[in-house]
Amino acid sequence: GAVVSQHPSWVICKSGTSVKIECRSLDFQATTMFWYRQFPKQSLMLMATSNEGSKATYEQGVEKDKFLINHASLTLSTLTVTSAHPEDSSFYICSARDLETDGYTFGSGTRLTVV
Amino acid sequence: QQQVKQSPQSLIVQKGGISIINCAYENTAFDYFPWYQQFPGKGPALLIAIRPDVSEKKEGRFTISFNKSAKQFSLHIMDSQPGDSATYFCAATYAAGNKLTFGGGTRVLVKP
Repeated sequence: GAVVSQHPSWVICKSGTSVKIECRSLDFQATTMFWYRQFPKQSLMLMATSNEGSKATYEQGVEKDKFLINHASLTLSTLTVTSAHPEDSSFYICSARDLETDGYTFGSGTRLTVV
Repeated sequence: QQQVKQSPQSLIVQKGGISIINCAYENTAFDYFPWYQQFPGKGPALLIAIRPDVSEKKEGRFTISFNKSAKQFSLHIMDSQPGDSATYFCAATYAAGNKLTFGGGTRVLVKP
């Protein structure tokens, strides 16, 4: 079945630094990928939709300059948290849509801790 | 505006029992309704999904019931096992490649 690989699975960074999270579709091409943020015991909150070769579409209230999304190829999307602060600490999850199965496959998530 | 409402927020069931989770949606344009299972520290994994042209779909111990007129759908977990203890999310979307709208989640605990 469709597999989405997300790296790293966890990262600790210092306040003010930037962190990049990668999301790869391993066995299918994903023209559309999604980035979510999840707080403890809460549902997934969509941050942005990224389309290969074009600018990402951000949800209302998400700072596009803080959360940079790049979708340069059909199998790779990246989320860069710039100038991270402790309030950016969260669980970030990517998802990709498989056009063949019409399903949405999720990565394993990245736990970001900003100290 | 929350477009998919999920209940209950939490559920405790004995091993071998039936877990039932319900979702209601507002947008009649939704045409794809998946259920996801999430374990702590992991991403959601697709369990089962249904489209509005059928009223029920079964895969192993998991069954989706769909009521288009009531705009409701539910997940039944038969013969619940301790390994089923997880958080379950319903979701909905419409048209190809559109974003998923998630319910609030249900934390299920299966007691041995």
